[in-house]
Amino acid sequence: GAGVSQSPRYKVTKRGQDVALRCDPISGHVSLYWYRQALGQGPEFLTYFNYEAQQDKSGLPNDRFSAERPEGSISTLTIQRTEQRDSAMYRCASSIGTSAAYEQYFGPGTRLTVT
Amino acid sequence: AQSVTQLGSHVSVSEGALVLLRCNYSSSVPPYLFWYVQYPNQGLQLLLKYTTGATLVKGINGFEAEFKKSETSFHLTKPSAHMSDAAEYFCAVTRSGAGSYQLTFGKGTKLSVIP
Repeated sequence: GAGVSQSPRYKVTKRGQDVALRCDPISGHVSLYWYRQALGQGPEFLTYFNYEAQQDKSGLPNDRFSAERPEGSISTLTIQRTEQRDSAMYRCASSIGTSAAYEQYFGPGTRLTVT
Repeated sequence: AQSVTQLGSHVSVSEGALVLLRCNYSSSVPPYLFWYVQYPNQGLQLLLKYTTGATLVKGINGFEAEFKKSETSFHLTKPSAHMSDAAEYFCAVTRSGAGSYQLTFGKGTKLSVIP
C-alpha cells in the first residue's frame, strides 16, 4: 500500500515568502506528526495531530509556523515570512493509533531552502 | 524531559565484522525506545523498538538491541556487517503513558562498511 507522501519534495524560496508543505498520511492513520531535521542532526518535533485536533504544538519555533489538518487526513505546515534559518528537511510521520507503542511511518521529507 | 545521546557520529566497520552503535537515553518516565535507519534520499524506516517485556529485541535485517535500564542504554548490534547496511542510524525515545508521543532523536550515527 501507499506510504506517507509529502509535497513538494524540494522547495527553494526567497526570504520573506510564505511556503506551504503538504503531508498525505497513510490511509486510516489517526495520528500525524511534523518534524524538522537540520543537516547533521536528528529530526526535532514540531507538532502533533490526533485526527483533526492539534494536540501538541510545543515544538513550533515561533508564530511564523502553523499547521492544520482540517479533515483529519492531509496536513499542511505553513511557514510565513521565511528566513534563512528555516532551511531544513521537513518530515511528516503518521501512526495508526495514539499509543506510543505504535510505529511512526515517515515520509520522504520536503527539503526547504530559503535564499 | 527526554534526551538521547549517540556516541560516535561516524562508525566504520569491515564487511563481515560486528556492528555496534551506541545509544544512551535520559527519561523521567519509563521509556519506549526505537532505532530508525535512513538511506540516502529516503524516509526514516523503523528497525526495531522496545516497549515492554523482553529486553532483547530483534528487528529487520539482522539487527537487534538490548534495553539495559541500569545503564540507560539501548545499543544496536548486528553480528556481521553487509555493504547494504551503510546508512545513517537514529536512536529515539518517547514516553510511555498518556500524552504526546513525539519522538526525541539522537543526532545520528553514519555507518560505513568497508569491503
